[in-house]
Amino acid sequence: DAKTTQPTSMDCAEGRAANLPCNHSTISGNEYVYWYRQIHSQGPQYIIHGLKNNETNEMASLIITEDRKSSTLILPHATLRDTAVYYCIGRNSNSGYALNFGKGTSLLVTP
Amino acid sequence: GAVVSQHPSWVICKSGTSVKIECRSLDFQATTMFWYRQFPKQSLMLMATSNEGSKATYEQGVEKDKFLINHASLTLSTLTVTSAHPEDSSFYICSAVAGIETQYFGPGTRLLVL
Repeated sequence: DAKTTQPTSMDCAEGRAANLPCNHSTISGNEYVYWYRQIHSQGPQYIIHGLKNNETNEMASLIITEDRKSSTLILPHATLRDTAVYYCIGRNSNSGYALNFGKGTSLLVTP
Repeated sequence: GAVVSQHPSWVICKSGTSVKIECRSLDFQATTMFWYRQFPKQSLMLMATSNEGSKATYEQGVEKDKFLINHASLTLSTLTVTSAHPEDSSFYICSAVAGIETQYFGPGTRLLVL
């Protein structure tokens, strides 16, 4: 599975868009990019995943660069409840379902 | 949809006793479940993969005789921490695979061994 690199922490004002970057320069062709978040003292919550096309759901949008070496998770209108650690994870569909959680990005949404 | 529950949400036990944690997929069947452990201010670490009807696969460094996993049905996996010691105190989280791609996580169980 590809190694991912994320900033350690980010701040975002409430109501603004939060753009969380992730580098995955060693990603392989059949490797998905998954995003999860973990609010303090809770289990991780699935947000979105994609392979090469941009994806959008009710929680967020995922923008994957054409060369697939990086991606950005966008929370369009951040709220205080979006304060959490966000994990970008590469998963090779041929290597099973296990997820390798790195350190993630600690996002703080401020009033 | 895709809800995973864990029970109990927290447990305190004496050193040397055993503790069982249940993980259930409430609205889907899961042939594969995972158990993770998270120490304070650290990320999740995979402990083992639980496969329905077969033996669990443990990650390197995880003692299979200490952390017993049973996946007896398509909606239930259990983790038993045997002869628990204070260093086993941690946040234990399970996940289940829904469909063919996505893992959904339980709310976690906080274990404190005195």
